[in-house]
Amino acid sequence: SQKIEQNSEALNIQEGKTATLTCNYTNYSPAYLQWYRQDPGRGPVFLLLIRENEKEKRKERLKVTFDTTLKQSLFHITASQPADSATYLCALDGTGGFKTIFGAGTRLFVKA
Amino acid sequence: ETGVTQTPRHLVMGMTNKKSLKCEQHLGHNAMYWYKQSAKKPLELMFVYSLEERVENNSVPSRFSPECPNSSHLFLHLHTLQPEDSALYLCASSPGHTQYFGPGTRLTVL
Repeated sequence: SQKIEQNSEALNIQEGKTATLTCNYTNYSPAYLQWYRQDPGRGPVFLLLIRENEKEKRKERLKVTFDTTLKQSLFHITASQPADSATYLCALDGTGGFKTIFGAGTRLFVKA
Repeated sequence: ETGVTQTPRHLVMGMTNKKSLKCEQHLGHNAMYWYKQSAKKPLELMFVYSLEERVENNSVPSRFSPECPNSSHLFLHLHTLQPEDSALYLCASSPGHTQYFGPGTRLTVL
């Protein structure tokens, strides 16, 4: 069955460092990969979408890579800040839509 | 805010009660979704509506009943729930692949 794996353990980093989160998937060939941010008790918020034919995408301090051979995406936050502390979800989608699959998320803590 | 609202934000109900969750989107999207989120688990897709027609139903127990009267509104009717149904219920809308979530309803079933 289709599966997404994200680090279940929380990631703790120091303010100003680069946070790198990993998303691995199996039994799936997604056309799109997305990253969302979720704060406690709130709904996820869309951050970035990358297509299968794109290797890398950037938005301000965020960078996403997508390696369809390794079946892996890396999500980077540069110059991290305590306000970046949240859970980050990886999501995969095919071309047909209506069937986005989410990972369980990785909790990020940025210490001042 | 994302343009998707959900009410109520918190709900406590007994197993014999009947209640409804409401979702409204002000984004002009054609698709709307219900998800269940339990602690430390991935979002579970429950129902999808596109242009007010149900296009996905992921083997959800019949004690959950969705309703989509128009493209801006989505309801989840609840009856005779079980304690394991306690979770955060999220509504989302989408113009394509990206989804815009509401704040969720925290449901507790006693």
